[in-house]
Amino acid sequence: AQSVTQLDSQVPVFEEAPVELRCNYSSSVSVYLFWYVQYPNQGLQLLLKYLSGSTLVKGINGFEAEFNKSQTSFHLRKPSVHISDTAEYFCAVSDRSNTGKLIFGQGTTLQVKP
Amino acid sequence: DTGVSQDPRHKITKRGQNVTFRCDPISEHNRLYWYRQTLGQGPEFLTYFQNEAQLEKSRLLSDRFSAERPKGSFSTLEIQRTEQGDSAMYLCASGLREAYNEQFFGPGTRLTVL
Repeated sequence: AQSVTQLDSQVPVFEEAPVELRCNYSSSVSVYLFWYVQYPNQGLQLLLKYLSGSTLVKGINGFEAEFNKSQTSFHLRKPSVHISDTAEYFCAVSDRSNTGKLIFGQGTTLQVKP
Repeated sequence: DTGVSQDPRHKITKRGQNVTFRCDPISEHNRLYWYRQTLGQGPEFLTYFQNEAQLEKSRLLSDRFSAERPKGSFSTLEIQRTEQGDSAMYLCASGLREAYNEQFFGPGTRLTVL
């Protein structure tokens, strides 16, 4: 079984500052890793995913994440945030069977202040 | 718009009533997933279909819950004898078996049980 822990429930940050949202996972098998964003009253949108290959993954809206197998982490970063980045961010894993079933973390609320 | 749609977006019901939600996936997608998201938590997997076959159900899916995808297109999720603990956002996602690591989410149905 897999589990995901997002280490911060809320991250306040000023506009144009860098941000890191932390995610650790636990699994006895190899996994795929994902970050999703959820704006108020909307569904989830995929930001980026790690399947294999380069451990640094670039996604949409200027976000990137780095897979660290030894630390079982997949932290999300952005060098300069905007007010519009205010949202809920979810880290997720799926095992490498072909079900595609996602296991999500509890979420991190990113609050960007002017 | 050819994204995933869900209906209704909001449902308020009294305890003990039955409710049914509908999900229309992206038309060519053969996989369809249901998740439940309670306040302050990440989504939790409920069940998924490949075409019309229901391939996996979570232990979260009690006997009061039933899901169908009769023609391999839209899906319905029914909750019988609703309880206050069923109050949540119900999310639907669709994808392709051939690209099982990418799911596209709908906006969700928010259920409130009084």
